[in-house]
Amino acid sequence: AQRVTQPEKLLSVFKGAPVELKCNYSYSGSPELFWYVQYSRQRLQLLLRHISRESIKGFTADLNKGETSFHLKKPFAQEEDSAMYYCALTSGNTPLVFGKGTRLSVIA
Amino acid sequence: ETGVTQSPTHLIKTRGQQVTLRCSSQSGHNTVSWYQQALGQGPQFIFQYYREEENGRGNFPPRFSGLQFPNYSSELNVNALELDDSALYLCASSLSSHTGELFFGEGSRLTVL
Repeated sequence: AQRVTQPEKLLSVFKGAPVELKCNYSYSGSPELFWYVQYSRQRLQLLLRHISRESIKGFTADLNKGETSFHLKKPFAQEEDSAMYYCALTSGNTPLVFGKGTRLSVIA
Repeated sequence: ETGVTQSPTHLIKTRGQQVTLRCSSQSGHNTVSWYQQALGQGPQFIFQYYREEENGRGNFPPRFSGLQFPNYSSELNVNALELDDSALYLCASSLSSHTGELFFGEGSRLTVL
């Protein structure tokens, strides 16, 4: 069964500090991993996907199949990064499965 | 381009009642997925509709049912409401049924008393 674990419910960092939001998954096949973000009073939206290897709003995430992780990183946090972040997994033929989310709070 | 819209945004029901939630998919999208998000939890997959047919279902009882119409809009129906059905119900549309790139609506918040 597919499972996504986000071990931290809340992560608080100071502005300008590095950020790492952890995501671990369990899936025996070839997964597709995603990060979704929900800013205050906005809808849930896609932030980035591992297959595109892109950097969005300064965030990057590398799929580590050996450690079954897909941590989200940003070198310098900004106040506007404060939001709820969800890691999600699909195999392509299965529905998107979400973790419970991590609330990032960036302190000025 | 119109995004995903859901109605109603909020509603209150009592135990045993029935509810219908509606979703208009984004233009050009033929797939709609429904998720339930309880407080403090991530979205839980209920089911997906692709070209008017159910195309996958999560671990939800049969009293959760749905429809997709020829214009790809969709409904979620829940019968015999229980207190634990109180949650935010999210609709998401996508270009295909085999993608993790979903476009979400703002949700319908259901409270069951």
